[in-house]
Amino acid sequence: GAVVSQHPSRVICKSGTSVKIECRSLDFQATTMFWYRQFPKKSLMLMATSNEGSKATYEQGVEKDKFLINHASLTLSTLTVTSAHPEDSSFYICSADLTGDGTFGSGTRLTVV
Amino acid sequence: RKEVEQDPGPFNVPEGATVAFNCTYSNSASQSFFWYRQDCRKEPKLLMSVYSSGNEDGRFTAQLNRASQYISLLIRDSKLSDSATYLCVVLNAGGTSYGKLTFGQGTILTVHP
Repeated sequence: GAVVSQHPSRVICKSGTSVKIECRSLDFQATTMFWYRQFPKKSLMLMATSNEGSKATYEQGVEKDKFLINHASLTLSTLTVTSAHPEDSSFYICSADLTGDGTFGSGTRLTVV
Repeated sequence: RKEVEQDPGPFNVPEGATVAFNCTYSNSASQSFFWYRQDCRKEPKLLMSVYSSGNEDGRFTAQLNRASQYISLLIRDSKLSDSATYLCVVLNAGGTSYGKLTFGQGTILTVHP
């Protein structure tokens, strides 16, 4: 099946710095990718929809200037958490799944200290 | 009302037990339904799709009732390895929400010896 590679799997950063998370589709072209966030003991919540060649669509309550999404090619979408704060510590997961078949990246655990 | 609602549990059952999880969804236009499994600190993995006719995969049986907007998952002969969080997931297939997966909060299952 389709494979999505997400990197890094884990990152620890200082408060105020920026962190970039990459999501690559390895064996297919993804015009749309989704970015989710999961806080401890909570469910995945969609943050934004990344569209190749155009602006991302953000869910209500998600700051687009804080969570920068770039989808410059059909195989790569990036999420940059800018000026990270401890409350941004979470599990971030990308998906290129339009049909529910489970094409998720392995996730990035971000810890802001 | 949450878009997808599950009983969070936790469910603690002995090996060999039968356990059932329930889920309700609020969007009557939702098209596709799934059960995912998520192990601690991992990305969600597709367990099975859910169809109106009901579907079975080994020890797992999923059922969909569109009239009641209700989804269920039955696990028979529970194994220790079934311990995980089970996520009810709904796929929106229309309009601006195309491809958006909405996750329930998850039901925690622990199977003990």
